[in-house]
Amino acid sequence: DGGITQSPKYLFRKEGQNVTLSCEQNLNHDAMYWYRQDPGQGLRLIYYSQIVNDFQKGDIAEGYSVSREKKESFPLTVTSAQKNPTAFYLCASSKGDTTDTQYFGPGTRLTVL
Amino acid sequence: DAKTTQPPSMDCAEGRAANLPCNHSTISGNEYVYWYRQIHSQGPQYIIHGLKNNETNEMASLIITEDRKSSTLILPHATLRDTAVYYCIVRVFGGTSYGKLTFGQGTILTVHP
Repeated sequence: DGGITQSPKYLFRKEGQNVTLSCEQNLNHDAMYWYRQDPGQGLRLIYYSQIVNDFQKGDIAEGYSVSREKKESFPLTVTSAQKNPTAFYLCASSKGDTTDTQYFGPGTRLTVL
Repeated sequence: DAKTTQPPSMDCAEGRAANLPCNHSTISGNEYVYWYRQIHSQGPQYIIHGLKNNETNEMASLIITEDRKSSTLILPHATLRDTAVYYCIVRVFGGTSYGKLTFGQGTILTVHP
């Protein structure tokens, strides 16, 4: 079954701790993305990666870091520098072709206490 | 990317067609129209996209007006499981907009028995 998996679905952390969110895809897609969604709001792009070992900042990269060591994996670390980390985090991937249709994972809801 | 305007909410009876409108009067010639939907607490689901011709897939039909300034997503036989927020997005691949899907407020579609 091809798709995008994110784990865990719910995550709780204490303030000041770094936390890493997992995103894996087996769609053989080149491009991967991280978005953040706050209640009642649209999605905002955090980071994206077009190819292995390369990634670019999105609109709200401050306080986040990523790595892309494998095509299938694009983990997101929420650092203690992120002022309002509690949110719904969504990972997506795409082939990277001209129409660039993005397919999303189920999301991880992070709550920082 | 062009801005879109959608009604905040719509209702539809189960089994009837749901017609969701979207205005994108500033769309450029190389911008595609995408539709996604998001069921509460889940990742957005891709529905369909098009450039200027009408498109149909197993989920829905997309009707784009000849001047491309508006479009309509049609769910031919709505079910209760189609209750979701529907997002209309127009975007071009590449350049400074690469990787960013700009989700507005969308239309909350409620399908009732």
